[in-house]
Amino acid sequence: KAGVTQTPRYLIKTRGQQVTLSCSPISGHRSVSWYQQTPGQGLQFLFEYFSETQRNKGNFPGRFSGRQFSNSRSEMNVSTLELGDSALYLCASSLVGRGTEAFFGQGTRLTVV
Amino acid sequence: AQTVTQSQPEMSVQEAETVTLSCTYDTSESDYYLFWYKQPPSRQMILVIRQEAYKQQNATENRFSVNFQKAAKSFSLKISDSQLGDAAMYFCAYRNNAGNMLTFGGGTRLMVKP
Repeated sequence: KAGVTQTPRYLIKTRGQQVTLSCSPISGHRSVSWYQQTPGQGLQFLFEYFSETQRNKGNFPGRFSGRQFSNSRSEMNVSTLELGDSALYLCASSLVGRGTEAFFGQGTRLTVV
Repeated sequence: AQTVTQSQPEMSVQEAETVTLSCTYDTSESDYYLFWYKQPPSRQMILVIRQEAYKQQNATENRFSVNFQKAAKSFSLKISDSQLGDAAMYFCAYRNNAGNMLTFGGGTRLMVKP
């Protein structure tokens, strides 16, 4: 069974640009969550999608958005990039149910210059 | 809001010895789950062990075990017979039943000395 796939693995963008990151979950997983990892703030939850609907949202500005498609693949978008958006963005997929495990992708390293 | 605290930024252990990583959390909920994740230099987060709050028995997975103290809101990870491959960042995480959102602690970097 293929794992969680995130593309691209690395990105360099300029301040003010926008970026779209992609996440393909494990087959059969309908919940996809996104996290931002930085040395200063650690791992922070961005949002969770389930059945194409945002189920939970973290404390991030509206520049951060996401969506989920009918095949459970998810994208997150960051508009008007700032230097502070430089981070490792991790995607995790899960089954739905009590205590289910989150399986993580290898992340997308975004550098904003 | 739930918070998770890992008070040890770095720990070091000799190969084959035992090490314990600490984690405390704060929540007003009674039904939740706790996890330890490992993040090696490859960056991929890997689940090490999970604990369901309503289960009093401490979870174990081979060389990994937890000491879950619900009243004290403490969830420590014990690694026995440490191996070089255990060297990584370890994150404690909390999850309630309202979806799959994980709240992470700040992490503990574990170094294993040969």
